[in-house]
Amino acid sequence: NAGVTQTPKFQVLKTGQSMTLQCAQDMNHEYMSWYRQDPGMGLRLIHYSVGAGITDQGEVPNGYNVSRSTTEDFPLRLLSAAPSQTSVYFCASSYQGTIYFGEGSWLTVV
Amino acid sequence: GNSVTQMEGPVTLSEEAFLTINCTYTATGYPSLFWYVQYPGEGLQLLLKATKADDKGSNKGFEATYRKETTSFHLEKGSVQVSDSAVYFCALSRDSNYQLIWGAGTKLIIKP
Repeated sequence: NAGVTQTPKFQVLKTGQSMTLQCAQDMNHEYMSWYRQDPGMGLRLIHYSVGAGITDQGEVPNGYNVSRSTTEDFPLRLLSAAPSQTSVYFCASSYQGTIYFGEGSWLTVV
Repeated sequence: GNSVTQMEGPVTLSEEAFLTINCTYTATGYPSLFWYVQYPGEGLQLLLKATKADDKGSNKGFEATYRKETTSFHLEKGSVQVSDSAVYFCALSRDSNYQLIWGAGTKLIIKP
């Protein structure tokens, strides 16, 4: 049972570099989302998607892009990494009231 | 707007003690309420949920009751174990797709 799979688990970037966090789910869920987790702030929604071809902004979208070409995949792109984007990133999918989280991606921007 | 407030941590208890982690919320209408747990180095797992007033969610010995009159969803456990050490998040959702509003999290430390 793979569930929600995120890669990479750990990444160090230099300021200005770009990268993509991958997220895939094998449960055929329509709804997927990306959160970031920062100390003392809980989780904040970055972007979400209600189905293939449809994405929308969450609470903190600046500096991030997403796309949803298939139901399974929902990658998050950092366009030009900044130290403020140092965080733990969680991908999630949801269905009928239950949210399934990936194991997280720890990103450090130096 | 919608918000969730949790008691600040860390909360430190001895094994077999009684646990309460307070959670209050602000929302219009009838949100669904959740408790998630995050063990060290891991992702978030749903612990329990309640979708309407007076519902009680329970799992692994933890319980929380949806109290609309006090806008609260406090997490309780009668006898904690060292393995319960984790960060606990309270959250609400008013969206059918379950976009969540999160509390800041409460770190729980259980000492043997």
